Amino acid sequence: AQKVTQAQTEISVVEKEDVTLDCVYETRDTTYYLFWYKQPPSGELVFLIRRNSFDEQNEISGRYSWNFQKSTSSFNFTITASQVVDSAVYFCALSEASGYSTLTFGKGTMLLVSP
Amino acid sequence: NAGVMQNPRHLVRRRGQEARLRCSPMKGHSHVYWYRQLPEEGLKFMVYLQKENIIDESGMPKERFSAEFPKEGPSILRIQQVVRGDSAAYFCASKTSADTQYFGPGTRLTVL
Repeated sequence: AQKVTQAQTEISVVEKEDVTLDCVYETRDTTYYLFWYKQPPSGELVFLIRRNSFDEQNEISGRYSWNFQKSTSSFNFTITASQVVDSAVYFCALSEASGYSTLTFGKGTMLLVSP
Repeated sequence: NAGVMQNPRHLVRRRGQEARLRCSPMKGHSHVYWYRQLPEEGLKFMVYLQKENIIDESGMPKERFSAEFPKEGPSILRIQQVVRGDSAAYFCASKTSADTQYFGPGTRLTVL
């Protein structure tokens, strides 16, 4: 069975601080995908990134970066120089690398960025 | 290219009524997933459909819930005889044969 753990329920930072959201996963699959989604206060779910299990290169996209470490089953997400608009709930998710691809989500981390 | 559309965005029903939630996938997407977000429980998979077929309904309650994705028209999630515990946000996601699911804005169901 697959499992995703986001141990941080809520994080509060002040604008311009860096913040890292942790994600630890469990799976028996040898190939799988990892995802991050953002849920702003308006409620929609916004896709941020997908990572293949065979690609451990870190990725940077603007102020966002992701650190995938297979050895520790972690896929952490860092926001550099946080902004108020980053305030949202962030979900880490896992799916097997097959056509089914149903997502197993963590419970989410609520990030509050204050001005 | 329009994103995933869901309607209604908000739905209020009294106990015992039926709720119908609609999802129009992104253009070119033939795979549809439904997820439910309950308070304190996070997002849970309910059902996975391709055109005219239910592929996996392992996350959907056996009673009162059904889903379809007809050849023409949107996917429908139907909840019969709603109860207060059905109050939640219901999200639809779609994808191509590739593996990234794109989500709609959700339908917030409130059962009075």
